[in-house]
Amino acid sequence: DPKIIQKPKYLVAVTGSEKILICEQYLGHNAMYWYRQSAKKPLEFMFSYSYQKLMDNQTASSRFQPQSSKKNHLDLQITALKPDDSATYFCASSQDWVQDTQYFGPGTRLLVL
Amino acid sequence: GQQVQQSPASLVLQEGENAELQCNFSTSLNSMQWFYQRPGGSLVSLFYNPSGTKHSGRLTSTTVIKERRSSLHISSSQTTDSGTYLCALEQQGGSAKLIFGEGTKLTVSS
Repeated sequence: DPKIIQKPKYLVAVTGSEKILICEQYLGHNAMYWYRQSAKKPLEFMFSYSYQKLMDNQTASSRFQPQSSKKNHLDLQITALKPDDSATYFCASSQDWVQDTQYFGPGTRLLVL
Repeated sequence: GQQVQQSPASLVLQEGENAELQCNFSTSLNSMQWFYQRPGGSLVSLFYNPSGTKHSGRLTSTTVIKERRSSLHISSSQTTDSGTYLCALEQQGGSAKLIFGEGTKLTVSS
C-alpha cells in the first residue's frame, strides 16, 4: 500500500487559474516537505513543515501556499498559475525534521497551458 | 556555483558490469541521501549515509566528509537498474532542505 499519497497524479490547468495539490502520509512522520522538479532541472526544495509548523520556505513567490490541516497532511495551493509553474511536484516526509531519511511520494505532474 | 555535482551525467553498461557513481559537494553536510528515480518519475530512497560505508544487496554507498564526496557502487548490474540516480545533501545549519544533484542516468542493456 502506498504510504505517501499525492493527488491528483496529473493535472492540466489554464494560465491564471488556481489549483490545490494534495499530500497525505501514513508513515506516522512529524515532518513534511514539498519539492519541485522542472524539465531539465534538479529537484528543488520548496517548503518544510514540522508538527504542522512552517520551518523553511525557499519559494520566492507568495503564489505558492502550503496548507496543513492535519499532522499527516500538507497540501500545496498554487494561485495565478503560469506556464513556468509546469513541473512535477513531490511531497516528502521524514520522522524528524533534520538529519533523517526523507521519503518521497509519487508526484503530481502539473501542466499549465 | 553548483553545491552538488554528480558524475558521470550518463552511463551505459552491459548487464553484469559494475558501476561507480560519484557525488561531489562544496558545502559542509549534515547528511547525504541517494535516490533512484524510476523512468516514470517516482523516487526511491536507497541510502541515508552521512559518513562511512553502507551496504544494501548489490549497492554500496560511501561518504567521505573530509574529501567532500559520496559514491554509489552498483555491482553486477541488471537491466532493472536502469534509471536516474540522484544524490542529495542536507547542509549543516538547521534546515532539512535537501540539495539535489542533476543525476546520473544509467542504462543497462542485456
